[in-house]
Amino acid sequence: ILNVEQSPQSLHVQEGDSTNFTCSFPSSNFYALHWYRWETAKSPEALFVMTLNGDEKKKGRISATLNTKEGYSYLYIKGSQPEDSATYLCAFIPQSGNTPLVFGKGTRLSVIA
Amino acid sequence: GAGVSQSPSNKVTEKGKDVELRCDPISGHTALYWYRQRLGQGLEFLIYFQGNSAPDKSGLPSDRFSAERTGESVSTLTIQRTQQEDSAVYLCASSVENLQARDEQFFGPGTRLTVL
Repeated sequence: ILNVEQSPQSLHVQEGDSTNFTCSFPSSNFYALHWYRWETAKSPEALFVMTLNGDEKKKGRISATLNTKEGYSYLYIKGSQPEDSATYLCAFIPQSGNTPLVFGKGTRLSVIA
Repeated sequence: GAGVSQSPSNKVTEKGKDVELRCDPISGHTALYWYRQRLGQGLEFLIYFQGNSAPDKSGLPSDRFSAERTGESVSTLTIQRTQQEDSAVYLCASSVENLQARDEQFFGPGTRLTVL
């Protein structure tokens, strides 16, 4: 069974704070990692697709890094805004096996104005 | 362009009844996925289609669950003899090709199923 862990489970920050959270995944059998943002009452929306060790991707105030050798990815949000409030999900795509991807349980971020 | 659509958006049913959930993927997307999220749980992968074929059905929770896809387009997820533990949000997603192409997935709005 593939284990994808996200931490923390939830996070409350003040507007303007920078924050980061973690996705841990099996370091062997790695193929790709996806990050999604899921706002309440909306559909999950893709943020990043990461494939190479050392990858660093950025979209506005949000960025992500990838370490496939140790099996983790960090998501960073700089200067959090209330509209960043959402659940952030990572999905691990293995090189082989029956399950095409495994999602973590997510980190629920609340940004307080 | 149109995104992924799902119907119904909400479904309340009685235990023991059958339900059918529909997903219309983005036109031209070869791969289609079904997930569910039960209360307090993460997203659980159920099944995916490459074209009209489902390479592996082992993610389906029980033999009461089945899914099909036709015309490399619409997909239906059928739950027979629903149980209360089937209550969840059922999400559908599509991508240009399958995951081995590392494509991001585009999600529909989900169907909230409540089994009384």
